[in-house]
Amino acid sequence: EIVMTQSPATLSVSPGERVTLSCRASQSIRGRLAWYQQIPGQPPRLLIYGASTRATGIPARFSGSGSGTEFTLTISSLQSEDFAVYYCHQYSNWYTFGQGTKLEIK
Amino acid sequence: QLQLQESGPGLVKPSQTLSLTCTVSGGSISRGNYYWGWIRQPPGTGLEWIGSIFYTGSTYYNPSLKSRVTVSVDTSKDQFSLKVTSMTAADTALYYCARHGGDYGDFFDSWGQGTLVSVSS
Repeated sequence: EIVMTQSPATLSVSPGERVTLSCRASQSIRGRLAWYQQIPGQPPRLLIYGASTRATGIPARFSGSGSGTEFTLTISSLQSEDFAVYYCHQYSNWYTFGQGTKLEIK
Repeated sequence: QLQLQESGPGLVKPSQTLSLTCTVSGGSISRGNYYWGWIRQPPGTGLEWIGSIFYTGSTYYNPSLKSRVTVSVDTSKDQFSLKVTSMTAADTALYYCARHGGDYGDFFDSWGQGTLVSVSS
């Protein structure tokens, strides 16, 4: 099983700040990585697939990068609606998810 | 717009079998190169893929759950279902159905709202 490790577990940030979330795979997944946003009480929402392609309707402030085992999700200027939990997900070998990074308001 | 909706009991007794159904609307379960899967999320924790099915009936399962899980499909109703046997408290979770596959990669792009399943006597 490919283990996905996200860091940090929690990030306290202020609106308007730029933030970078990290995700590491236990073995190479090439670019087969997606990012999801989950607001409490809602299902995960697809943000990024193929490591760097924004899903339909996702604002340009969200960007993804990386390949192999190291990936990042960057939010260029945090809006109030961005405070949520973010999960990375590999679909290279079966399907596994990271444990999530919670963005909270500082 | 594609919508998925889970249905089933919210409470299951230990050792019993859980049965959930996902109804797909706004699109056909038989159209396109998509798989239909189940994912669960224990309270306050992360996501775990359970298993998936293609409209032809081809299935594959998480190896850690394979012995207890069955996924089936009813294309005439645009539904797919999940059965989990020998339920324990560790199976208490929010259960989601979701679509994956397609032309751009095998990620999950549409999700149901989820249904909470508690295991308790």
